[in-house]
Amino acid sequence: QSVLTQPPSVSAVPGQKVTISCSGSNSNIGYNFVSWYQQLPGVAPKLLIYDNSKRPSGIPDRFSGSKSGTLATLGITGLQTGDEAHYYCATWDTSLNGGVFGGGTKLTVL
Amino acid sequence: QGQLVQSGAEVREPGASVKVSCKASGYTFTSFTINWVRQAPGQGLEWMGWIDIYNGNTDYAQKFQGRVTVTSDRSTSTTYMDLGSLRFDDTAMYYCARKRFSIGGDPFDIWGQGTLVTVSS
Repeated sequence: QSVLTQPPSVSAVPGQKVTISCSGSNSNIGYNFVSWYQQLPGVAPKLLIYDNSKRPSGIPDRFSGSKSGTLATLGITGLQTGDEAHYYCATWDTSLNGGVFGGGTKLTVL
Repeated sequence: QGQLVQSGAEVREPGASVKVSCKASGYTFTSFTINWVRQAPGQGLEWMGWIDIYNGNTDYAQKFQGRVTVTSDRSTSTTYMDLGSLRFDDTAMYYCARKRFSIGGDPFDIWGQGTLVTVSS
């Protein structure tokens, strides 16, 4: 059971927008920055969003992040078939004194 | 930018230990921590622990305390993760990942390609 809660799956058609939620508590999301990772099949995770809403260089602005209280959200607009992947949220938990991940969300672009 | 390159796949019997390496290049090795994250087949990501390359300090998730040891060799810019008393459910892909600070929500910004560890009799 993951410390951070994500929906197991979401789906949408190409060109549409999708959001993925990540719910935590005051000891993790409520207190620390959140990052998001994209994991394409068979490869290592890749950083998509950090510090709740910032994008590393090279990440298109179709990807966005936000945080309110103990809930973080990843948004993807203009969906492409190449966006099909698992998406994970992560942060630090000050009670556990360790890194924590969401269980992951599988995005299907129909 | 930076890059992390991990050692190849390993197969071990239950009760044995495995040592996975992670070689860094392209950045100042001592300015970051290296974290280890594992992923069982078909499952999500699980944080295992970190090492602060600058001072050698380490910390591990409670689940792995006593079974995992992370070390680093500054002369070769290589970090090692040693996991002992292997069980069947330790079968997983093991990733090293760079993080600026030892604690806090800063991101894992660079990842190794992963090392598959299979525990089988």
